[in-house]
Amino acid sequence: EAQVTQNPRYLITVTGKKLTVTCSQNMNHEYMSWYRQDPGLGLRQIYYSMNVEVTDKGDVPEGYKVSRKEKRNFPLILESPSPNQTSLYFCASTPNAAPNTGELFFGEGSRLTVL
Amino acid sequence: QKEVEQNSGPLSVPEGAIASLNCTYSDRVSQSFFWYRQYSGKSPELIMSIYSNGDKEDGRFTAQLNKASQYVSLLIRDSQPSDSATYLCAVFFSGGYNKLIFGAGTRLAVHP
Repeated sequence: EAQVTQNPRYLITVTGKKLTVTCSQNMNHEYMSWYRQDPGLGLRQIYYSMNVEVTDKGDVPEGYKVSRKEKRNFPLILESPSPNQTSLYFCASTPNAAPNTGELFFGEGSRLTVL
Repeated sequence: QKEVEQNSGPLSVPEGAIASLNCTYSDRVSQSFFWYRQYSGKSPELIMSIYSNGDKEDGRFTAQLNKASQYVSLLIRDSQPSDSATYLCAVFFSGGYNKLIFGAGTRLAVHP
């Protein structure tokens, strides 16, 4: 089954404790992206990757890191989480190098709470 | 000014009525326009795309685009309670910017 898989789906952590949210897609997609969704603010892009070893900042990259060592995986790293990173996170992918067709395949989301 | 703007709602319509969802976008080179539906606690799913001025119909859904007014809308005919969700407008801005920007979404509630 074609899908984007995120883990963990739910996480409660404390300020400063490093964490990684994994994202894996099995569709051989070029483009992958991380979004956070907050009430009233919609989906905001954190980082994206157009191909292996190519990543770039989105609109809200502060406090996050990513890597794209393999085509299928695009982990999101919070080196020192803070309460303002409490949010719902989505990983998404699309076949092209850019989301110009709008056909993003989303993971199920990861709800993160930082105390 | 946000690049893609939507009224947050909630928009409440009775079952069987037409729901009209609106979206405006900023003055950048914009190429493609999309509507996503997101049920509570779920991930967004693409339901409509439109690339040129005019109307595009798909079942009970019609997307309308007016580039001169920088306006895109989604009409849902014969609204059903199962249409109750948040609808996200997204615009792909090209011309070197190459970004897909989402609006904050409009929450639609269809009541029996």
